[in-house]
Amino acid sequence: EAQVTQNPRYLITVTGKKLTVTCSQNMNHEYMSWYRQDPGLGLRQIYYSMNVEVTDKGDVPEGYKVSRKEKRNFPLILESPSPNQTSLYFCASSLEGTSKEQYFGPGTRLTVT
Amino acid sequence: GQNIDQPTEMTATEGAIVQINCTYQTSGFNGLFWYQQHAGEAPTFLSYNVLDGLEEKGRFSSFLSRSKGYSYLLLKELQMKDSASYLCAVHPGGGNKLTFGTGTQLKVEL
Repeated sequence: EAQVTQNPRYLITVTGKKLTVTCSQNMNHEYMSWYRQDPGLGLRQIYYSMNVEVTDKGDVPEGYKVSRKEKRNFPLILESPSPNQTSLYFCASSLEGTSKEQYFGPGTRLTVT
Repeated sequence: GQNIDQPTEMTATEGAIVQINCTYQTSGFNGLFWYQQHAGEAPTFLSYNVLDGLEEKGRFSSFLSRSKGYSYLLLKELQMKDSASYLCAVHPGGGNKLTFGTGTQLKVEL
């Protein structure tokens, strides 16, 4: 089944404790992206990647890191999480950048206390 | 900066037609998407417009006017399952960012 998977689905952590949210797709898509979704603010793009070893900032990259060492994986890293990073996070992928539909993962609900 | 405006909430009756508007002011334009998101779920793709005009797909249609910075999503023969948030997203060009509006929460009533 074609899909985007994220892990974990739910995470409660404390300020400053490094964490990684994994994202994997099995559709051989070139483009992958991370979003956060907050009430009243909608979906905001954090980082995106056009291909292996090619990443770029979205609209809200501060406090996040990403890497794309393999085509199928695009992990999101929070080196020192803070409470303002409490949010619902979505990973997405598409065949060819932003001219094609994106397929979203199920989401990761992160709480930083 | 990029600005995308959608109404926050709309209510419509089962079986009726509803139009959800989206206006945008962006630094460029390379396409506009509509996504549907049910509560607690991931967004799913509905439509993509890059040229002016109407794209029809079953009960859903999407319209684009680039000169006016305007799009709408038309939902016909509304069903209860259409109750969801509808997200407008613009690719402004000059890279591969995608900017979303805050979404329109549609409630379908009997």
